[in-house]
Amino acid sequence: LAKTTQPISMDSYEGQEVNITCSHNNIATNDYITWYQQFPSQGPRFIIQGYKTKVTNEVASLFIPADRKSSTLSLPRVSLSDTAVYYCLVGDLSSNTGKLIFGQGTTLQVKP
Amino acid sequence: ETGVTQTPRHLVMGMTNKKSLKCEQHLGHNAMYWYKQSAKKPLELMFVYSLEERVENNSVPSRFSPECPNSSHLFLHLHTLQPEDSALYLCASSQTGTSVLTDTQYFGPGTRLTVL
Repeated sequence: LAKTTQPISMDSYEGQEVNITCSHNNIATNDYITWYQQFPSQGPRFIIQGYKTKVTNEVASLFIPADRKSSTLSLPRVSLSDTAVYYCLVGDLSSNTGKLIFGQGTTLQVKP
Repeated sequence: ETGVTQTPRHLVMGMTNKKSLKCEQHLGHNAMYWYKQSAKKPLELMFVYSLEERVENNSVPSRFSPECPNSSHLFLHLHTLQPEDSALYLCASSQTGTSVLTDTQYFGPGTRLTVL
């Protein structure tokens, strides 16, 4: 799986938009980009997934430039409950096992 | 509530004990996973079961022994653990276990294990 690089931590305030960027310079043609969210003492939770351009769901948006060497998770108007660790993963759909390899993630701290 | 439950939520054991962690999924999935998350470290994949057959063993020491009696249940049997095995053990399930990331994994809350 392609290696990803994210900022270790970010701070924000309630009501702000938060953008977390992930670098994946060695992303392969078949790789998708997926983001997970993890609260303390809980398992990770799927947020969003995309291949190129922009994907939006009820929780977040994912922006992927044409070269796909990076991606940005956008959280609109964060609240205190969005304080969590956010993981960016890339992986090959042709893999014959469901293998997720997590990096260090980005710890987002939302302040009042 | 993700549809994946784990018991116990907390476990303290000595190095000579034998214990088991249990995971149950109520989602009708056919793939199940064990992950280990140590303090300030990324999640590490331990085992993958697809259709009750082990398809991945990520160089895990033999003191960890998984068992998947059916597609809804997964166990992790623990024997003669070391203090460095103390971690959060997470179970996950997915629909097929064959498509890495579009095959979304649903995680349980984890078992916090402390080895004395």
